Parts: sequence; C-alpha cells; structure tokens
Amino acid sequence: QQPVQSPQAVILREGEDAVINCSSSKALYSVHWYRQKHGEAPVFLMILLKGGEQKGHEKISASFNEKKQQSSLYLTASQLSYSGTYFCGTEGSSNTGKLIFGQGTTLQVKP
Amino acid sequence: NAGVTQTPKFRILKIGQSMTLQCAQDMNHNYMYWYRQDPGMGLKLIYYSVGAGITDKGEVPNGYNVSRSTTEDFPLRLELAAPSQTSVYFCASSYPREEQYFGPGTRLTVT
Repeated sequence: QQPVQSPQAVILREGEDAVINCSSSKALYSVHWYRQKHGEAPVFLMILLKGGEQKGHEKISASFNEKKQQSSLYLTASQLSYSGTYFCGTEGSSNTGKLIFGQGTTLQVKP
Repeated sequence: NAGVTQTPKFRILKIGQSMTLQCAQDMNHNYMYWYRQDPGMGLKLIYYSVGAGITDKGEVPNGYNVSRSTTEDFPLRLELAAPSQTSVYFCASSYPREEQYFGPGTRLTVT
C-alpha cells in the first residue's frame, strides 16, 4: 500500500531541474507533497486532488495522473534551499485525511 | 497562533516504562494525526482522529493508545515501552483535505 517514490536520491547543481515521481497501486483521491529538512518537521508543498484541483503555496509544480495513480513533482531552476527529503503522501477514498507516505527522495542542491 | 505544539521535545525511557506524548493545536482543526519516523525512513501513521471522541488506527498502532476529548488536544500514550518504539514522533492537524501542519516532534529513546 505504501506508494513508491523514484528516484531515491538526486544531486543537482543550482539552476538545474529535477522530477520526483510517486506511484501507488491503489486508487487515489489525493496526493500530498511535503519537504523535510534534517532534524525538522515536514513542511507542506502541494495537494493534488482527484478532478484536477491543486492547492499549494510554493513555486513548485506537480501533476496527478488519476488513471495511473501516479504523481510527479517538478523542481525547476533549483535553489540551495530546495535541498531536503521529499515525501509524497497518498489518500484513498475515505475522507479522513489519512495519508500513507512514501519512503522519501533525498535531494541535494550544490552551488 | 502557536500552531501545533508537542511536549516533551526529548525523552529517554527504560524498557517497560510508560509515558504520554502531548499534542495541542490552536487552529480549530478537526483532524489530528500521530506519526512516527524512524531514522532515514518515511512517516508511518499511528493513529488519527476526525473529531473529538473519534479515533481510529493507522498503519502501526500496536503499543500505543490515543484519546481525543477536546478539539485542541490529542495525546499519545505509550504502554510498556520497547526498544522498537525508539523514534521521532510527529503530531499533525488539518482541515479536511487540506495541508497537514506538523508539530516540531518528540525524539524518544527507549533503552
């Protein structure tokens, strides 16, 4: 049931782009994306809902393919502050906010 | 707003001891969650609640108990602590199908 994220880790230079993928074997209602820096709590990036609605407050874009139960997070023109571990959390049909998180993708942005 | 607060920040328990991790939020969120995060791993849902008096099990509930008597508070009880419960515990809260706000975490070591 745990969604699978790929890649597990990626190293970028400032200004480069990256894509992080999240894939589930179950039908999804929504996908959440969070970033966590070492020793800190996860911070919300974006929610993608079935039907196409998106909610987020950072300059990061993402997509959600409902038929394939897949989501991708697009990090463009990366900055040093983008470094951290990215987690996707998937929600099934129940309206409980119950998220199952992936194992994480570690992103390191170098100068 | 203080957001989501957790106490204590750190705790060392001996095997077999019990303790309660406190979590409070001042955002009037109905939904609250408890996660654990083992080193280098993703977040695992322990218990969640959709409102006062309503709780349900997550992925890894064994060895834990919760109660939700008010909207603001969602304590997590550890009974008979075991080394396998050594982890970082995060509490979070949200409105339905909105971003989850995480507390700063409690780092627990069981020896």
